[in-house]
Amino acid sequence: EVQLVESGGGLVQPGRSLRLSCAASGFSFDDYAMHWVRQAPGKGLEWVSGISWNSETIAYADSVKGRFTLSRDNAKNSLYLQMNSLRAEDTALYYCAKGVFGLVIAVLDYWGQGTLVTVSS
Amino acid sequence: EIVLMQSPATLSLSPGERATLSCRASQSVSSNYVAWYQQKPGQAPRLLIYGASSRATGIPARFSGSGSGTDFTLTISRLEPEDFAVYYCQQYHSSLPTFGQGTKVEIK
Repeated sequence: EVQLVESGGGLVQPGRSLRLSCAASGFSFDDYAMHWVRQAPGKGLEWVSGISWNSETIAYADSVKGRFTLSRDNAKNSLYLQMNSLRAEDTALYYCAKGVFGLVIAVLDYWGQGTLVTVSS
Repeated sequence: EIVLMQSPATLSLSPGERATLSCRASQSVSSNYVAWYQQKPGQAPRLLIYGASSRATGIPARFSGSGSGTDFTLTISRLEPEDFAVYYCQQYHSSLPTFGQGTKVEIK
């Protein structure tokens, strides 16, 4: 059974940093691209970032480019999102999602339950 | 950035009825790189359709997708009680994937 478990969310002040993690199990992690998608409270979905199976391709939404860094550790079946210079508009539930392909093509067939990030003073 | 507009915002129907959800793109989505997701309250999204018309694994046949270019449709042939939810279309053609704002299918 595919499982994606996010962690690392919490309350953080504007301008500070947070690192999200996603622990994957139940599939060959190093065969697939992985993504983060966020959802602000009561709002729709926004794709944040994606990384190819071998980390050669990493893509970011314009809204986070230069502030967020996506990485993965295939030996640990884990995905990480380093979020710096956080803003109030980054407040959202952050989902880790598995791509259907190894390349960064955002068809997302499994999702975690999300970790909540709240940016507020 | 490709903007996706979904209509209607809310669809009020009864179980057993047919649901037709629309998704229009601001520019052509080549290779029909459009997906549809279902999201229920308090749950993560679930992939229904990709490639505009291919059902994801385990998705019932009452869900179907169609369309090309800039106009795409998700059809639920006969609504079951568990189908009342919010539906999002998504394009993954460009290097910046984007989602529509969602259509809520509610019980009439």
